[in-house]
Amino acid sequence: NAGVTQTPKFRVLKTGQSMTLLCAQDMNHEYMYWYRQDPGMGLRLIHYSVGEGTTAKGEVPDGYNVSRLKKQNFLLGLESAAPSQTSVYFCASSYEGLSGYTFGSGTRLTVV
Amino acid sequence: AQKITQTQPGMFVQEKEAVTLDCTYDTSDPSYGLFWYKQPSSGEMIFLIYQGSYDQQNATEGRYSLNFQKARKSANLVISASQLGDSAMYFCAMRVFGQAGTALIFGKGTTLSVSS
Repeated sequence: NAGVTQTPKFRVLKTGQSMTLLCAQDMNHEYMYWYRQDPGMGLRLIHYSVGEGTTAKGEVPDGYNVSRLKKQNFLLGLESAAPSQTSVYFCASSYEGLSGYTFGSGTRLTVV
Repeated sequence: AQKITQTQPGMFVQEKEAVTLDCTYDTSDPSYGLFWYKQPSSGEMIFLIYQGSYDQQNATEGRYSLNFQKARKSANLVISASQLGDSAMYFCAMRVFGQAGTALIFGKGTTLSVSS
């Protein structure tokens, strides 16, 4: 089925470890986004991309890096995980303009 | 700067009753879109309804309608005839047109509980 696929779905990291979350979409969307969701905070934008090879910072970018080497993939990296990065991470993609998003199913990350 | 405010952390309603979830927004741009998403306990984000800033009529999608009051900058979601399956977190979101790369900004959400 067409859509946005996030891997992994769950992960437990130790403080200081690194990891990469992968987001893949097959809808030929130009725009891709990474959000984090924390209780009582809604979804907050980490980084986004308006096309292959481009990335930009969102509201809460510290501690994260991203890359968009291929149009269909958007990677979110944590170089040195901290307990404050325990969260649910959502990837989404969209066309430009006022269209809505297609969301992935989320990644639940726990940093201990 | 754009902002979405949802002032109701939780709402409770009985089956078959209607419920309104409040959302106010702030933007100086004339062209924008307003969205509502549902997040059930399973965690996925489900798109419910969309309203464009230039749309003359309020959006409707089945049991969902969006009460759009542009002058008051409000975009309340109305769910008619609530069902047990409507129990979920609901997010209001906004996207501004014309700014390259602008993303959806979300409110903090309202948890709706429907009882029998």
